[in-house]
Amino acid sequence: GAGVSQSPSNKVTEKGKDVELRCDPISGHTALYWYRQSLGQGLEFLIYFQGNSAPDKSGLPSDRFSAERTGGSVSTLTIQRTQQEDSAVYLCASRPTSFYEQYFGPGTRLTVT
Amino acid sequence: KNQVEQSPQSLIILEGKNCTLQCNYTVSPFSNLRWYKQDTGRGPVSLTIMTFSENTKSNGRYTATLDADTKQSSLHITASQLSDSASYICVVYLTSGTYKYIFGTGTRLKVLA
Repeated sequence: GAGVSQSPSNKVTEKGKDVELRCDPISGHTALYWYRQSLGQGLEFLIYFQGNSAPDKSGLPSDRFSAERTGGSVSTLTIQRTQQEDSAVYLCASRPTSFYEQYFGPGTRLTVT
Repeated sequence: KNQVEQSPQSLIILEGKNCTLQCNYTVSPFSNLRWYKQDTGRGPVSLTIMTFSENTKSNGRYTATLDADTKQSSLHITASQLSDSASYICVVYLTSGTYKYIFGTGTRLKVLA
């Protein structure tokens, strides 16, 4: 079946602009995670959605970052007023409710110039 | 503080040789530990998963071990192939009602012909 997809695969933006990153999870997966992977660093947790519950936003680095998940499926991560330090690969992962395995998308490489 | 540390940071070996990657964790409460392989430009893909009661698990040429007493895990790759060149990430899943994963920074493996 189809895996997790993310778009765009690459995004170059100017400092100060807003960007939106999209994640299409595997159909039926109730949990969705966003991570950030900076060069040479481990994956950094950003936000977690589980079904209709309120998302866990504890990993968002600043109020410039926000995410939503519409209809329990597609998710969008928005970064406002981008800064150079936001440059990283943003990874999305989904998993079924009662199973630990996460399935990752290919990521979006964001470059802020 | 929950941490996952991996060593070495990078490794170069010749095709056909074996290698072992290390992971030490200070995560509590511990549920399970998994190793992921991340090819350049792609999302991580799960290789093995072990609960605290398992001490070894194999997946083809990959064998993972876990010592829950010393909080150490290793990933052994046998008869390496060029396609094994990737980053290998150790991930620990927290339990007790949480849903967070703690990621190591990874070991970057390069296999040379």
